[in-house]
Amino acid sequence: DAGVTQSPTHLIKTRGQQVTLRCSPKSGHDTVSWYQQALGQGPQFIFQYYEEEERQRGNFPDRFSGHQFPNYSSELNVNALLLGDSALYLCASSKPRGGLKETQYFGPGTRLLVL
Amino acid sequence: AQTVTQSQPEMSVQEAETVTLSCTYDTSESNYYLFWYKQPPSRQMILVIRQEAYKQQNATENRFSVNFQKAAKSFSLKISDSQLGDTAMYFCAFMKRLQGAQKLVFGQGTRLTINP
Repeated sequence: DAGVTQSPTHLIKTRGQQVTLRCSPKSGHDTVSWYQQALGQGPQFIFQYYEEEERQRGNFPDRFSGHQFPNYSSELNVNALLLGDSALYLCASSKPRGGLKETQYFGPGTRLLVL
Repeated sequence: AQTVTQSQPEMSVQEAETVTLSCTYDTSESNYYLFWYKQPPSRQMILVIRQEAYKQQNATENRFSVNFQKAAKSFSLKISDSQLGDTAMYFCAFMKRLQGAQKLVFGQGTRLTINP
């Protein structure tokens, strides 16, 4: 049973560029959440997707956008990259509409460096 | 606003010792879930243990147990018979409901080192 997978593992971009990160949820999960983890900090919630719609967003600008596909996989897009966007981006998946009681399981993350 | 505070940035113990990591949180909700996640140098965030707030009994998973004090809003993690593989960042997290969605609110983390 495959866990949550993310690609790529590492990425280097320059300021102003755009980036797309990908996530495949754990088998049986349909809800995907994205988090940003700056160096030395705890993860911060970006947004959550299920039924192919963004359900909630954290305190992140519109440069951060996402998409969920019919197979439940998801993409995170960041436009007009800033140096401060350098971070580990974590994807987490959970079971269908389980609510508070459903544990979120994390992927290995994508390390983004913006130069 | 919900916040999670981990007051110990770093801890270090000898192998086989017992160590306790502290976590306090602030919420006005009555039903919620709390989690401890472990993040080794490989970066993968791994679930260690979870606690449901309406359950008075403290959760236990093998060598890992929690001391959940709801009135004090305290949720500490005890690791017994610590092993070298327990070396990692440990994050305490609170699951918050957001109008049909759920998000985890994390503390700043505690870096735990197990020495041989």
